[in-house]
Amino acid sequence: EAGVAQSPRYKIIEKRQSVAFWCNPISGHATLYWYQQILGQGPKLLIQFQNNGVVDDSQLPKDRFSAERLKGVDSTLKIQPAKLEDSAVYLCASSLGIGPREGETQYFGPGTRLLVL
Amino acid sequence: GENVEQHPSTLSVQEGDSAVIKCTYSDSASNYFPWYKQELGKRPQLIIDIRSNVGEKKDQRIAVTLNKTAKHFSLHITETQPEDSAVYFCAASRRGSYIPTFGRGTSLIVHP
Repeated sequence: EAGVAQSPRYKIIEKRQSVAFWCNPISGHATLYWYQQILGQGPKLLIQFQNNGVVDDSQLPKDRFSAERLKGVDSTLKIQPAKLEDSAVYLCASSLGIGPREGETQYFGPGTRLLVL
Repeated sequence: GENVEQHPSTLSVQEGDSAVIKCTYSDSASNYFPWYKQELGKRPQLIIDIRSNVGEKKDQRIAVTLNKTAKHFSLHITETQPEDSAVYFCAASRRGSYIPTFGRGTSLIVHP
């Protein structure tokens, strides 16, 4: 089965610029996650979608970050304007999420490595 | 919310030795504990997981143990090989939630 796809793989921008990341989850996976992974740390959840609805965005810096999953399949994450501290790897993950379950395997994409100068 | 502590941050072993990574969690409602391996520049990949209804799970050279009373779980790798070198992350999520909280990671270095 095809894995989670992300693009671009790398992005370098200057602070105050905008950037967008794209994610296509595994076919049939209802749940999609965006994580931020700063160098030397574990992934931190930014937002979780169930189909096209937001389940949890409590850790998303909403003044500059936005995300959407309009048709319940692929998703975009945007940063506007970017700050130096946004430099990180942005990971997208998906899981089946077909109903309430006690934990569920998440499959990660390759990530987008963002450098803000 | 959940807080996951992971130790050590760095672990260096000789090929063939065993490696143990330990994690503690704070939320007694957590009941799913996956472990991920992340090689340099690559995506995290699930290597083993355990649910709260079992105390131990093994898959070839990898095993995970869970002590719900003490709220800690550990990853054990036996007969380590250089290709085991990577960063390992533990995570915990609670009943009914799909959202894991990750530890800060352990960098395992296996010297040939």
